[in-house]
Amino acid sequence: RKEVEQDPGPFNVPEGATVAFNCTYSNSASQSFFWYRQDCRKEPKLLMSVYSSGNEDGRFTAQLNRASQYISLLIRDSKLSDSATYLCVVIINYQLIWGAGTKLIIKP
Amino acid sequence: SQTIHQWPATLVQPVGSPLSLECTVEGTSNPNLYWYRQAAGRGLQLLFYSVGIGQISSEVPQNLSASRPQDRQFILSSKKLLLSDSGFYLCAWSAQGSGNTIYFGEGSWLTVV
Repeated sequence: RKEVEQDPGPFNVPEGATVAFNCTYSNSASQSFFWYRQDCRKEPKLLMSVYSSGNEDGRFTAQLNRASQYISLLIRDSKLSDSATYLCVVIINYQLIWGAGTKLIIKP
Repeated sequence: SQTIHQWPATLVQPVGSPLSLECTVEGTSNPNLYWYRQAAGRGLQLLFYSVGIGQISSEVPQNLSASRPQDRQFILSSKKLLLSDSGFYLCAWSAQGSGNTIYFGEGSWLTVV
């Protein structure tokens, strides 16, 4: 089993819809969690940190489920510009473990 | 504010030629520095990381090497490139300590022909 796993997608979603995807991790000692967004042929950029209590930033909501060992990202009222690959990263003892990413395609 | 730059942005190199990618960070001191590679459609693979000048840890055996001659400078090198070295190379930094956000440079696209 991979340490961090993501559904590669692609998720094809109509504009305006809500979409959610998860990132599972295998090490219960994982300490910090982040979501990054990567556009085609560009560097990953921080989207949001994931806090234990969950956090929201505009249309984006991130949640952590320690019992089931996954983090989630919810995007409401999706825009065409949300099309990208979403990477999760889990930090364990100074080590960053990256998921391979979930590709999201928003269609008009 | 902190910034990170790497160059060149794209390069096409013949097999067997040398490689040098450079990365500098501004606006912070004593950062953790990283070199990642991302093959087409694949996840991020950590190549090297450094917690200080002259301190380099290698994650994957390969024909690449890294050096940190100054606090905010990180260099990725190869003496002889292989076809399999083609990919998207990303430099990144984070503040010292665990759990800190990592920030990426713009990336360098390497095609070995």
